Amino acid sequence: SQQGEEDPQALSIQEGENATMNCSYKTSINNLQWYRQNSGRGLVHLILIRSNEREKHSGRLRVTLDTSKKSSSLLITASRAADTASYFCATDAGYTGGFKTIFGAGTRLFVKA
Amino acid sequence: GAVVSQHPSRVICKSGTSVKIECRSLDFQATTMFWYRQFPKQSLMLMATSNEGSKATYEQGVEKDKFLINHASLTLSTLTVTSAHPEDSSFYICSATSGLRYGYTFGSGTRLTVV
Repeated sequence: SQQGEEDPQALSIQEGENATMNCSYKTSINNLQWYRQNSGRGLVHLILIRSNEREKHSGRLRVTLDTSKKSSSLLITASRAADTASYFCATDAGYTGGFKTIFGAGTRLFVKA
Repeated sequence: GAVVSQHPSRVICKSGTSVKIECRSLDFQATTMFWYRQFPKQSLMLMATSNEGSKATYEQGVEKDKFLINHASLTLSTLTVTSAHPEDSSFYICSATSGLRYGYTFGSGTRLTVV
């Protein structure tokens, strides 16, 4: 089961431009994470934002979290061709017996050189 | 940092056979491990959550008897795809954690092809 949707599903930009991806989720969360996945490869953890945080930065990445709207955004500034990948948000949600991580549908980013 | 080793990275098997995928936490105790399946150009779908020493909790629609999960120790979980069929061909990936506040570490994934 997936928590929610990400938009856009695909995004194509020129190198140097900024890329913004959005993620919505359905249930209450403990934290939200963003991951990158190059084609056919494993996941690379980018950033974690806790439910009591509203914004977080890491290098060229900026993540916001709006728990009232159950949404998050990932901004990549000054994009590079190497940023071409799929980006997923993932939320931690509690359930009877523990917690689990659910992934959004993902955004495929193409950065043209 | 925390490392999770998953293997094999690729496996091709004949239809009807079983395949075991291992996920090991190398430098931490993984109290909880998760197994995901990813079809091409799709997201990761959670299959099951396993806590060490107890039965796995499967997501709705995932066949327990087909995807056997064992988490017998704090450093090892296995996923066995039994009687594999071509439609089971997918990318399987595990993640492990020692607790919510410690974050997760993902394995590098296993590409299963059933012929």
